[in-house]
Amino acid sequence: KAGVTQTPRYLIKTRGQQVTLSCSPISGHRSVSWYQQTPGQGLQFLFEYFSETQRNKGNFPGRFSGRQFSNSRSEMNVSTLELGDSALYLCASSATAGSSYEQYFGPGTRLTVT
Amino acid sequence: AQRVTQPEKLLSVFKGAPVELKCNYSYSGSPELFWYVQYSRQRLQLLLRHISRESIKGFTADLNKGETSFHLKKPFAQEEDSAMYYCALRGFSGGYNKLIFGAGTRLAVHP
Repeated sequence: KAGVTQTPRYLIKTRGQQVTLSCSPISGHRSVSWYQQTPGQGLQFLFEYFSETQRNKGNFPGRFSGRQFSNSRSEMNVSTLELGDSALYLCASSATAGSSYEQYFGPGTRLTVT
Repeated sequence: AQRVTQPEKLLSVFKGAPVELKCNYSYSGSPELFWYVQYSRQRLQLLLRHISRESIKGFTADLNKGETSFHLKKPFAQEEDSAMYYCALRGFSGGYNKLIFGAGTRLAVHP
């Protein structure tokens, strides 16, 4: 099975712009979660989507949003970029919910805001 | 508040030495605990979870609810164990796929 894929892998944006990141889960997986990884804050949960519905949301401002399509692919959007948004954004997919289901992580998209 | 603490940023040992990566958590309830590992230039992957009570690559971890700890141990470290290790917590009130991560510990195993 192909793993979780994320595009693009690297991105450079200017402060004030917006950006869209994409995540394709493992075939058959219906849950997609997003995390932000920075040297200062570590790995922080952004949100989770399941069957096109947001189920959980972390403590991030409304500039961070996401969506999930019927094929389970997910996108996250960050509007009005700030320098502090520079981070590695990780996506993880899981077959469904439940303690027996493992999350599989993608390679990440490294976003640099200048 | 849900929190995971990994007190060591770097743990440096020689090959064959025992290893213990510390993890303490704060959660009012019965969480599920995990260890994730990230080898150089590879993606984050699950190493083990407390409910499985298994040994993976020689690593074990026991959940101690009294001390709220989930330390990762290996009796004899190998060079290929060098990686970044993250302890993570999943609280059922937050949803099954919301993980709270510690800051991570870099394990360096020297020959």
